[in-house]
Amino acid sequence: EAQVTQNPRYLITVTGKKLTVTCSQNMNHEYMSWYRQDPGLGLRQIYYSMNVEVTDKGDVPEGYKVSRKEKRNFPLILESPSPNQTSLYFCASRKPGGTQVYEQYFGPGTRLTVT
Amino acid sequence: KNQVEQSPQSLIILEGKNCTLQCNYTVSPFSNLRWYKQDTGRGPVSLTIMTFSENTKSNGRYTATLDADTKQSSLHITASQLSDSASYICVGMYNFGNEKLTFGTGTRLTIIP
Repeated sequence: EAQVTQNPRYLITVTGKKLTVTCSQNMNHEYMSWYRQDPGLGLRQIYYSMNVEVTDKGDVPEGYKVSRKEKRNFPLILESPSPNQTSLYFCASRKPGGTQVYEQYFGPGTRLTVT
Repeated sequence: KNQVEQSPQSLIILEGKNCTLQCNYTVSPFSNLRWYKQDTGRGPVSLTIMTFSENTKSNGRYTATLDADTKQSSLHITASQLSDSASYICVGMYNFGNEKLTFGTGTRLTIIP
C-alpha cells in the first residue's frame, strides 16, 4: 500500500530535550516536506526536500532541522524544543511537478506537546 | 501575497442534504487548485486537483469548480453522509521555478443524522 508513515504519532516532551520525528514514504517520491498545523491557521511548511541531499527552508523553519540522506526518509529534528513548537506535524511526499501535476500524500500526523 | 480564504468557517447540515463550500484564492503564478478532506486527527487526503483549464471536476459525490477569472473555487457535496464530517481545505499551488502550496484554514463540516 502506498503510504507516508510518521513516528511517533504522539509525543510529550520537556523544553530543551532534543527529539526526532521520523518520516518514510514507499512511493519513490523525490519531493518531501514537513508542515505544522495550528488552530486557526492553515498548514505551514517548515522544510522541504527536492531530492536526496537537497533541502531548503519553508515558511517557518526556525527551531527545526532536517536531513535527506535516503530518498525514502526525511526526519524532522528539534534540537531544543520550546512550548511554541507544540503543534500537529505532517510529513508529505509527491513527485516533482513541472509540466505534470501530481497528488501530494500526507502522513497521519504527529501530535507534539512541549512543556 | 499569496493567500487562500475559505468560507464558511464551519457548517452544520442534515444527512442527505447538499452543501457548497467556497474558496477565494490569490496565488501567483497560478499552477493548480486543490481540495483536501481532513478527518479529525488525520492527515489531509486529496479530493481534486484542477488546473486553470479545468472548470469542473468530480470525485464521486464531490464536485469542484474553478473560475480562473474571479479566482474562486467551490466544492459541492451531494447527498451528504455522516462520513463527510471533516475539515475541507482549499489549497493553491504556485510555481515560480519552485512549486509551493498555500493552504486555506479550512471549513469544518458537520453532518447530523
